Amino acid sequence: GDSVTQMEGPVTLSEEAFLTINCTYTATGYPSLFWYVQYPGEGLQLLLKATKADDKGSNKGFEATYRKETTSFHLEKGSVQVSDSAVYFCALSDRGGSEKLVFGKGTKLTVNP
Amino acid sequence: NAGVTQTPKFQVLKTGQSMTLQCAQDMNHNSMYWYRQDPGMGLRLIYYSASEGTTDKGEVPNGYNVSRLNKREFSLRLESAAPSQTSVYFCASQGEQGANYNEQFFGPGTRLTVL
Repeated sequence: GDSVTQMEGPVTLSEEAFLTINCTYTATGYPSLFWYVQYPGEGLQLLLKATKADDKGSNKGFEATYRKETTSFHLEKGSVQVSDSAVYFCALSDRGGSEKLVFGKGTKLTVNP
Repeated sequence: NAGVTQTPKFQVLKTGQSMTLQCAQDMNHNSMYWYRQDPGMGLRLIYYSASEGTTDKGEVPNGYNVSRLNKREFSLRLESAAPSQTSVYFCASQGEQGANYNEQFFGPGTRLTVL
């Protein structure tokens, strides 16, 4: 079945450091890919998404590129801020399948000043 | 436009007590979901509803029941709460078309403790 694997963390960085959170997926159809962010004490909210191969999603300085050849959707940011401290979830929705979202287990990011 | 709302925000139960978690969305979505979130486990799907009048089991349905009361509302019921059901519960609805296709919108969560 469909699955998402992301780096487990926790990840601790200093402010202005470069961030990469790895995400790979397995899907039987043609998935859309998502990154969600969860700030402390809140629900998940969409950070960015990509719906087809080679698409790049971007938002708030974060980027991720849909790589079909490596089945990956790694999240990157060039310079993190303390306010980026949160848990990040990679997810897919398989348009050839049930279309429910399948989530990775989440990666906790802490950014220190 | 409130999005997805959940009540209550916090609840403490004793083992064996029952309660219902309420969820409502105002985006006219057909699909709605209940998840639980435990440390180190990510999100696990309890039940979902693809449309009004239909419900299906997810990954961890045991100990729970759901009701899709109408298109807006999807409730989760614990008939006899157990300490293993201590968790944070999230409701979500899913967009079906346009820019929000397959995007899920989450409520703020209910933090449940079972003693």
